Amino acid sequence: DTAVSQTPKYLVTQMGNDKSIKCEQNLGHDTMYWYKQDSKKFLKIMFSYNNKELIINETVPNRFSPKSPDKAHLNLHINSLELGDSAVYFCATRRGGGTDTQYFGPGTRLTVL
Amino acid sequence: DAKTTQPPSMDCAEGRAANLPCNHSTISGNEYVYWYRQIHSQGPQYIIHGLKNNETNEMASLIITEDRKSSTLILPHATLRDTAVYYCILQGGSEKLVFGKGMKLTVNP
Repeated sequence: DTAVSQTPKYLVTQMGNDKSIKCEQNLGHDTMYWYKQDSKKFLKIMFSYNNKELIINETVPNRFSPKSPDKAHLNLHINSLELGDSAVYFCATRRGGGTDTQYFGPGTRLTVL
Repeated sequence: DAKTTQPPSMDCAEGRAANLPCNHSTISGNEYVYWYRQIHSQGPQYIIHGLKNNETNEMASLIITEDRKSSTLILPHATLRDTAVYYCILQGGSEKLVFGKGMKLTVNP
């Protein structure tokens, strides 16, 4: 079983559309994250959720909204997609807080045309 | 911003030990040294972490200098599958992992 899974793996869409990326974990971890890796390969945290509660919200446009329906899922909704949103988005989980190891999903490559 | 410095790239022969350096001269007392790697097109993968003692697991060894200002990740017998970008990251009480540019390790046959 895949510990952290993301769907879809690839997403190609037009500017202005609204799309969602889903993340599911079967590790029973309390904390989940979304990271963005841009074309220059820099990997940056976007959001962190702990037990369905938003903990970290970096300076991300409010077109991006994470939603956690339950502890095992953290979805990323993106409204009014822009060209600059093209990137690979990674979901990650952590058992507790602090310095516990993070486990990453396989990534979703979003291409906005 | 990342608080670590790594060379941009390194080559290693298959079967040899790969020694990956990392400088972190401004490390704080509560910060751990973490190593992750990212194989092409995959999500980052945890390798090892340590606070001040040397650590070893099934993947690698981590050597941290006594003053904690630098560390070395050792892959004892590098294989082609170890070709990846390796990230040295400091993590204290914050939830965040701050990734730098990392170091591209290429293992050659």
